[in-house]
Amino acid sequence: EPEVTQTPSHQVTQMGQEVILRCVPISNHLYFYWYRQILGQKVEFLVSFYNNEISEKSEIFDDQFSVERPDGSNFTLKIRSTKLEDSAMYFCASTRRQPSQETQYFGPGTRLLVL
Amino acid sequence: GESVGLHLPTLSVQEGDNSIINCAYSNSASDYFIWYKQESGKGPQFIIDIRSNMDKRQGQRVTVLLNKTVKHLSLQIAATQPGDSAVYFCAENIRGYNKLIFGAGTRLAVHP
Repeated sequence: EPEVTQTPSHQVTQMGQEVILRCVPISNHLYFYWYRQILGQKVEFLVSFYNNEISEKSEIFDDQFSVERPDGSNFTLKIRSTKLEDSAMYFCASTRRQPSQETQYFGPGTRLLVL
Repeated sequence: GESVGLHLPTLSVQEGDNSIINCAYSNSASDYFIWYKQESGKGPQFIIDIRSNMDKRQGQRVTVLLNKTVKHLSLQIAATQPGDSAVYFCAENIRGYNKLIFGAGTRLAVHP
């Protein structure tokens, strides 16, 4: 069964450094998402992406964040200058159609630790 | 308001018992609801979904009930097994919005 994959599984970085989190969505999916989950808390929406542009973003997704689909398979989340409070699990998800029409399938996540 | 905290509510059940996990969703305009299971260190895993034009949907060992009047969703797991131990999240989608809104989560602990 096809699944969303994410790399790396863990990333440790120094405050102020840039990080890029990578995702390979399910191949025939058209809608892509990033969520994050601070330890012990609920999953929070960051951004959705469709047709090569951001379709929706949350208040968390400020100017320090950006997303890109550099080729036909990868979907990346970049944090330009990491802060301590960016430490969290970051999940990528994808769907073939709009989220009101079908379930989002999540990747295994990247655990980001900012020191 | 937001329901955020470091301490998840926990439901402890004996193996073989039925479990009921509840969720109060936030927006009366939400029309699609999903239950996810999250095991430690893993991503949310789809269990079952339901649309707002239904009030009950059954899967294998799981049933979701939707009460739109009081904005309440529940997940029933029959004959709970140790492998069901995880955190369970409900999520809602408002038609036209490209995102899911997650609830706070409930930890299910199954004891042999």
